[in-house]
Amino acid sequence: GESVGLHLPTLSVQEGDNSIINCAYSNSASDYFIWYKQESGKGPQFIIDIRSNMDKRQGQRVTVLLNKTVKHLSLQIAATQPGDSAVYFCAENNNAGNMLTFGGGTRLMVKP
Amino acid sequence: EPEVTQTPSHQVTQMGQEVILRCVPISNHLYFYWYRQILGQKVEFLVSFYNNEISEKSEIFDDQFSVERPDGSNFTLKIRSTKLEDSAMYFCASRKARANNEQFFGPGTRLTVL
Repeated sequence: GESVGLHLPTLSVQEGDNSIINCAYSNSASDYFIWYKQESGKGPQFIIDIRSNMDKRQGQRVTVLLNKTVKHLSLQIAATQPGDSAVYFCAENNNAGNMLTFGGGTRLMVKP
Repeated sequence: EPEVTQTPSHQVTQMGQEVILRCVPISNHLYFYWYRQILGQKVEFLVSFYNNEISEKSEIFDDQFSVERPDGSNFTLKIRSTKLEDSAMYFCASRKARANNEQFFGPGTRLTVL
């Protein structure tokens, strides 16, 4: 069925290293994807988005890569910091921006 | 920076009771949403609201749920007769315009049904 999911539930990285969080989607008609960060006790916070007519988009210390051939999305965080520790969700936005379909989440743990 | 606010932060209720969760979306936003997150699980869409009516709802959003925008600032989610399985974090979100897909989330209300 149509779904948005994540490969790994937990990712542990050393402070200063780069982090890569992966996401797979199964709906080939998906055309818009978002990464959210959720810290403990808070709501999801928008990080970066990408449309299907792009394969890469960069923000401040973050890069999202989209591979439509294999229906794979990744979030790269450069020079990971302790403040990056959180759960990261990919989400698919459909129906011209209406409902969001979230993946299961990956917990990023940054070791000092 | 404008933000979505939600009250209360934590609501405890007895099974069968009605609860109303309140949200104040960002003031110039036009689209409003409710999502829920059961502990340890992913965030799930409940309902979207635009122009004073529901535009889309999920299977979770059954007859026990309703939403309302009673005035120009509040957006509420009502659960008429709560069940144990309604225990979850409930997030409100808002979006500015159709051309802008970014949804801004509030901090959530933790609902505990006993």
